[in-house]
Amino acid sequence: LAKTTQPISMDSYEGQEVNITCSHNNIATNDYITWYQQFPSQGPRFIIQGYKTKVTNEVASLFIPADRKSSTLSLPRVSLSDTAVYYCLVGDRRGTGGFKTIFGAGTRLFVKA
Amino acid sequence: DVKVTQSSRYLVKRTGEKVFLECVQDMDHENMFWYRQDPGLGLRLIYFSYDVKMKEKGDIPEGYSVSREKKERFSLILESASTNQTSMYLCASSRRTSGTTDTQYFGPGTRLTVL
Repeated sequence: LAKTTQPISMDSYEGQEVNITCSHNNIATNDYITWYQQFPSQGPRFIIQGYKTKVTNEVASLFIPADRKSSTLSLPRVSLSDTAVYYCLVGDRRGTGGFKTIFGAGTRLFVKA
Repeated sequence: DVKVTQSSRYLVKRTGEKVFLECVQDMDHENMFWYRQDPGLGLRLIYFSYDVKMKEKGDIPEGYSVSREKKERFSLILESASTNQTSMYLCASSRRTSGTTDTQYFGPGTRLTVL
């Protein structure tokens, strides 16, 4: 099973770039890496997904080295509203036909003014 | 936009009661999931379903059952609620794709308290 390891928490200040690194040593060849964001009292929501190298969207960038054993979520110029829990996960297929992913404990990012 | 709705935001039940948590999605997704979330433990998968009437156990299925009679609806059942099932319950759905990681869309969650 491809499990992930992330820092439990991180602090930052408004306007800074934040990089959250995730380890996934047992990632399978076909697995993608996905990051979710969760605000208090809400369900997680998708941020970004990638397979290798670099992916960028309007919210974040995702850097994946060639060996794919880790990935880094980069949030440019964070604001107070980016305070949330960020989950890194990789795909895992179980059972007779279903696909599912495994969420870890996530990284709690706290952005200060 | 994908919409996943859960029947209640807050629920209080007594030990031994049978509890039904309902989840409905409106995007014709094949996959549906039930998670519970507890402080410091992240999200843990209880059950998932990849088609009508199909289900598979997740990491913590003990004390729970599920039902998927229609594609858009996935129910989580606590046959006899216990205090250690006090938690936030999150439902999610995703499209069945060829990859092994499906983007999941989550509902707002149901905070269940068992007294």
